[in-house]
Amino acid sequence: NAGVTQTPKFQVLKTGQSMTLQCAQDMNHEYMSWYRQDPGMGLRLIHYSVGAGITDQGEVPNGYNVSRSTTEDFPLRLLSAAPSQTSVYFCASSPTSGMPYNEQFFGPGTRLTVL
Amino acid sequence: GQQVMQIPQYQHVQEGEDFTTYCNSSTTLSNIQWYKQRPGGHPVFLIQLVKSGEVKKQKRLTFQFGEAKKNSSLHITATQTTDVGTYFCAAKTTDSWGKLQFGAGTQVVVTP
Repeated sequence: NAGVTQTPKFQVLKTGQSMTLQCAQDMNHEYMSWYRQDPGMGLRLIHYSVGAGITDQGEVPNGYNVSRSTTEDFPLRLLSAAPSQTSVYFCASSPTSGMPYNEQFFGPGTRLTVL
Repeated sequence: GQQVMQIPQYQHVQEGEDFTTYCNSSTTLSNIQWYKQRPGGHPVFLIQLVKSGEVKKQKRLTFQFGEAKKNSSLHITATQTTDVGTYFCAAKTTDSWGKLQFGAGTQVVVTP
């Protein structure tokens, strides 16, 4: 199994550009999520999904869209990039969304710079 | 909203010494997870605690969940250079279905 994969690894955008960060997992996990990591702030939840066709907002959803058309894929779209979105983005998946949660498996991350 | 606070933010440790990092919440937690992130890497799951007062050990690492399920600690004995990294706690409250909140992390630097 490849686990959780993310592309691209690095990306530089200009303010106002849009792009999609890709995330895929081959473990048949129900739960997938996107986090951003900024220095001194830990990981902040952007959006999450408890299964195909179901998504919801996390702590910092503004400026981002998600969709979950398949179990495997959970892309994150930046609608109009802003310098405040410069960050490292991690996608994660987990076998279940039930209580309590199982461990989350993280992808390698995408380092995004917005100029 | 829920705040998961981690202290200290930084920890400089001499190789061979012990240290403890703490995770505190103002609200009751359903569970708490601990992750380790090596420099330049991604978070990797270490352990999950669910029961009040639970204590789990992984070699030199001891994890504890408070009796009131509002705090947790990670204690590392005889620190080694391989322990370098940032340790995060992540928690879910009893009323935040679907959301796991991470603390800001404790960055550990080990001096040989």
